[in-house]
Amino acid sequence: DAGITQSPRHKVTETGTPVTLRCHQTENHRYMYWYRQDPGHGLRLIHYSYGVKDTDKGEVSDGYSVSRSKTEDFLLTLESATSSQTSVYFCAIMEPSQGYEQYFGPGTRLTVT
Amino acid sequence: AQKITQTQPGMFVQEKEAVTLDCTYDTSDQSYGLFWYKQPSSGEMIFLIYQGSYDEQNATEGRYSLNFQKARKSANLVISASQLGDSAMYFCAMRKGGGNKLTFGTGTQLKVEL
Repeated sequence: DAGITQSPRHKVTETGTPVTLRCHQTENHRYMYWYRQDPGHGLRLIHYSYGVKDTDKGEVSDGYSVSRSKTEDFLLTLESATSSQTSVYFCAIMEPSQGYEQYFGPGTRLTVT
Repeated sequence: AQKITQTQPGMFVQEKEAVTLDCTYDTSDQSYGLFWYKQPSSGEMIFLIYQGSYDEQNATEGRYSLNFQKARKSANLVISASQLGDSAMYFCAMRKGGGNKLTFGTGTQLKVEL
């Protein structure tokens, strides 16, 4: 158990509403990531963070923003949700000094109607 | 650009048999890392095994081994003595040397049958 939680685990929201997903870790790992998983695409990186207030874009960042004000929390925000953002969202953590494998949270299933 | 290809969308294997899941990659870097993850039907992503591009020996972790063929740019996962609990989706991923991001393949769905 890598000590990663995601909240909420399930959410249904309407098109145009803002949504924030939270990732919380107890491991003090420097790197945190947000992915989305869709059938036929595997996992695709949305944004990642390499320290408090240090973030960068991934390959599918349009329509998403992130914030990291504390080491343990990484927030993913959909400013105005669209149906194309219906997906399963995974958070992951990594600490280079302990190896480069990423450890994943349980996922959040988001449905935008 | 990096690319990971998993050409087997689905595989079947009988219990107690060995199975190989294919993964090929494309990179011009000399330093990189390859990972395999398992995703059971419950949805969590479980790290299985890692191979560095400079590692001379193939990685092994229990019943999992990574058949790393650098010249062919392949990093196949071998599961020995398959068990029913091995039924899951398996993802291959690559880390570019010096970077801290992973690129994932599209996965292979493995079903272990009695």
